[in-house]
Amino acid sequence: GENVEQHPSTLSVQEGDSAVIKCTYSDSASNYFPWYKQELGKRPQLIIDIRSNVGEKKDQRIAVTLNKTAKHFSLHITETQPEDSAVYFCAASTNYGQNFVFGPGTRLSVLP
Amino acid sequence: DVKVTQSSRYLVKRTGEKVFLECVQDMDHENMFWYRQDPGLGLRLIYFSYDVKMKEKGDIPEGYSVSREKKERFSLILESASTNQTSMYLCASSLLSLAAKTDTQYFGPGTRLTVL
Repeated sequence: GENVEQHPSTLSVQEGDSAVIKCTYSDSASNYFPWYKQELGKRPQLIIDIRSNVGEKKDQRIAVTLNKTAKHFSLHITETQPEDSAVYFCAASTNYGQNFVFGPGTRLSVLP
Repeated sequence: DVKVTQSSRYLVKRTGEKVFLECVQDMDHENMFWYRQDPGLGLRLIYFSYDVKMKEKGDIPEGYSVSREKKERFSLILESASTNQTSMYLCASSLLSLAAKTDTQYFGPGTRLTVL
């Protein structure tokens, strides 16, 4: 079955710097890759997603890139702010709208 | 606005008790999911359902069962709770994909279950 790895497990950056989180997946049939942000004590919420027919997607300060050949995708956050501090999860979907496989998460801390 | 609710935010049960966790979504989503979330392990799928009375095992179904009698409600059942089932339980829902497109999952607030 699908396996999703995520690195790093923790990341600390200075406010204003960029943060990059990388995920790799194993199943070449995966076609949908969402990123979720989970603030302390809250539910995971979708922040950005990308489908396999697109190489890059951007939404204000966040962007996701996908390399299907290498089977990896990355989340980029620019001009980080303290409110970006959270745990970020990547996921890959191998079925049509059904089960996701999540990465183990990255705890991002943005230091003032 | 998608709304996914769970019956309890915090629950404390004793070993051997039968535990019911309920999830309700109001967006007419076909798919519903139960995950458990543990530090360092991310979100692991327990069971999912793509239609009423339909269920599929996820990655860690042992010790759990589910029930989906109505489209909007998906219940997770711990037949005999054990201490290793102490965890955060998250419910999610999504639309059934059409044209082979995957739709994102929307999560409930979670239930933190402690089994003593």
